[in-house]
Amino acid sequence: QVQLVQSGAEVKKSGASVKISCKASGYSFTMYYIHWVRQAPGQGLEWMGIINPDGGSTDFLQKFQGRVTLTRDRSTSTVYMELSSLRSDDTAVYYCTRDRDGSYTFDSWGQGTLVTVSS
Amino acid sequence: DIQMTQSPSSLSASVGDRVIITCRASQSINTDLNWYQQRPGKPPKLLIYAASSLQSGVPSRFSGSGSGTDFTLTISSLQPEDFATYYCQQTYSTLLTFGGGTSMEIK
Repeated sequence: QVQLVQSGAEVKKSGASVKISCKASGYSFTMYYIHWVRQAPGQGLEWMGIINPDGGSTDFLQKFQGRVTLTRDRSTSTVYMELSSLRSDDTAVYYCTRDRDGSYTFDSWGQGTLVTVSS
Repeated sequence: DIQMTQSPSSLSASVGDRVIITCRASQSINTDLNWYQQRPGKPPKLLIYAASSLQSGVPSRFSGSGSGTDFTLTISSLQPEDFATYYCQQTYSTLLTFGGGTSMEIK
C-alpha cells in the first residue's frame, strides 16, 4: 500500500534551519508529485510547495520563496524539505502528501512532523 | 489568491443526523474542489475530489455537490467516527488554498 513516512519531531532555535524527510513506498516514486502542507497548532492547512520527483522541478508559495528547499533522492524514494531562517510562527506540523494525478489533489499523507521553534 | 470560506466554523450534531457543510470560493473554480476529513492528531484524509467524486474506500454516506463558487459536503447519517474537522480545498489555481475548517462535535 502507498505509504509516506516522515522523520521525527524537531526542536530548533530561531534563525536555524530544519530538514525533514519523507520516504515513499508502495508506488512508483517518480510518477507522482509530492507536496508539503503545514498546520500551525490549532490552525488550518497551508500549502507550501511541490516537487516533481522525476525531474526535480519545484514551485513554492511566494511567502516561502528563498526559505524553502525541496530535494529528492530517487535511489531511496525520499523527498526532503528544508526550511531556513526559522521563526516562532514556523512552529507547526509539516506534512508531505502525494498528488493523485497532477490535479493538486492529495490522496496520501505522511504522519506529520512537528517542528517547534523556540527563541 | 482564491479565498475559501467554510460555514459553519463549528457545529454540534448527534449520531444519525444529516449534516451539511458549505464552502464558498471568492471566484468561480468550476468543480475544482476537494474535501478532507481530519481527526485529532492525524493527517487529513481525502473524502471527495472534483466536487462530487467519492474517493475510493470512503463510505457512501459522504457526498459532495456544487460548482462555480458554492459547494456542499453532506454526511447523510453521522457515525461516531465522523466527528472530526472538515476542510475544503480549491485546485483551480496552483496557488492552492484551503477553507478554514469546520469542526464537528458530538451534541
